[in-house]
Amino acid sequence: QVQLQESGPGLVKPSQTLSLTCTVSGGSISSDDYYWSWIRQPPGKGLEWIGYIHHSGTTYYNPSLKSRVTTSVDTSKNQVSLNLSSVTAADTAVYYCARRLFGGHHMDVWGKGTTVTVSS
Amino acid sequence: QSALTQPASVSGSPGQSITISCTGTSSDVGGYNYVSWYQQHPGKAPKLMIYDVSNRPSGVSNRFSGSKSGNTASLTISGLQADDEADYYCSSFTSSNTLKVFGTGTKVTVL
Repeated sequence: QVQLQESGPGLVKPSQTLSLTCTVSGGSISSDDYYWSWIRQPPGKGLEWIGYIHHSGTTYYNPSLKSRVTTSVDTSKNQVSLNLSSVTAADTAVYYCARRLFGGHHMDVWGKGTTVTVSS
Repeated sequence: QSALTQPASVSGSPGQSITISCTGTSSDVGGYNYVSWYQQHPGKAPKLMIYDVSNRPSGVSNRFSGSKSGNTASLTISGLQADDEADYYCSSFTSSNTLKVFGTGTKVTVL
C-alpha cells in the first residue's frame, strides 16, 4: 500500500527557508488521481492546511501562507517538496504530507510527520 | 476563514455512545457534503475516519458514523472503547479562498 515519508532539517533559523521532502512509496506520484497535500500542526495546537499540488503542476495554497510557500513535484524521485520562506518561531510545527483524491476533499493516506523547530 | 468550531472535550464510559459536533457556515459545512473526520492519537499522524459526511474508509470500525444537519456536522462513536481515546478533528471544503478548513479539535476521554 502507499506510504508517505517526510524528511528534512529539524532545525531552521529565523528568516531562513524551511525545505521538506515527502517521498511516496508503493504508488506513483504521477497518478492523475491524486493531489499531494501539506498540513502542519504547531505544538499543542490543531491542524492547518498548507496546500495541494498535482503532478501536472496545479497548486492551491492557504492564502495565509501563499506569499511564502512553494511546492514542487519530482516524478523521477517520486517526491513532493515544500519550501516555506522567511520563517519565524510561529512556523515551528510537525509537518505532514498526505494524499488527497482528485475528486474528493479528504486526505486518506498520511505520512508520520516531521518536526521542524525555528530557532536561532 | 475561521476554524470550524468543536467542543474542546467530550468524555464517556466504555460501551457508551458519544457525539462530537463541528459547526461551520453555509460556505463550508452547510454548503457542501465534503466533511471529513480524523482521529489522532498522541504523537501520531491523523487517521481518516469519515469522509463526505458519512462514508467510512475500508478498515474503519462501523462504530464510527457521521452525519450533518445545516451548518453542523457530527461524529458519533458508539460502543466506546479505550483505544478511542484520542483527539478528533473535523474538516471541510470551503468556498472561501482558503479552500480547506479544519476544526478546533476535540479531546475524547474514555472514563
